Amino acid sequence: QVQLVESGGDLVKPGGSLRLSCAGSGFTFSDYYMSWIRQAPGKGLEWVSYISSSGSTIYYADSVKGRFTISRDNAKNSLYLQMNSLRAEDTAVYYCARGHGWIYFDYWGQGTLVPVSS
Amino acid sequence: EIVMTQSPATLSVSPGERATLSCRASQSVYSNLAWYQQKPGQAPRLLIYGASTRATGVPARFSGSGSGTEFTLTISSLQSEDFAVYYCQHYNNWPPLTFGGGTKVEI
Repeated sequence: QVQLVESGGDLVKPGGSLRLSCAGSGFTFSDYYMSWIRQAPGKGLEWVSYISSSGSTIYYADSVKGRFTISRDNAKNSLYLQMNSLRAEDTAVYYCARGHGWIYFDYWGQGTLVPVSS
Repeated sequence: EIVMTQSPATLSVSPGERATLSCRASQSVYSNLAWYQQKPGQAPRLLIYGASTRATGVPARFSGSGSGTEFTLTISSLQSEDFAVYYCQHYNNWPPLTFGGGTKVEI
């Protein structure tokens, strides 16, 4: 069965950096677009970033552009999010999600919490 | 950026009743709309894509309708497991992809 498992969430100070990972299994990872989507505590869903199946096309939300970098390693069935210059408003649960069509999300990981606080 | 607006913010219903949730787009998204269900402490689950196609394993009591800027998610007879927050998401003319603010369905 399809599984997405995020890791790497941790308490980080404002201005700090963190790298999230998402391991995919149960499907051919290299065939699918992937995204990161976040949810601040008690709030709604916010799309963060997208990467095409080959990694050649990448998009970011304006709120993270220039600070976050999405990447993938299809040989390791893994998706990554490098987060730099973190701010308090980046505090959220970060989900990785598998893209389908153009583009909705048919499978989601369980999420990893990133609190940004001094 | 396409803004998605959901209403109502909270919907109070009883088990067995019908629930109707609305989602409005600030410009036409044609049928490029998905609905998700999220229960407390869980990741969202895809319910509907293409405005009206149920995802694999989604019960028939869930139905989606609409196109352009007005969309509806209907739960024909609420079960206890349906009490959750529901989000719509467009996927037309992006980035960015945007979600509605959610509708909480409560008893």
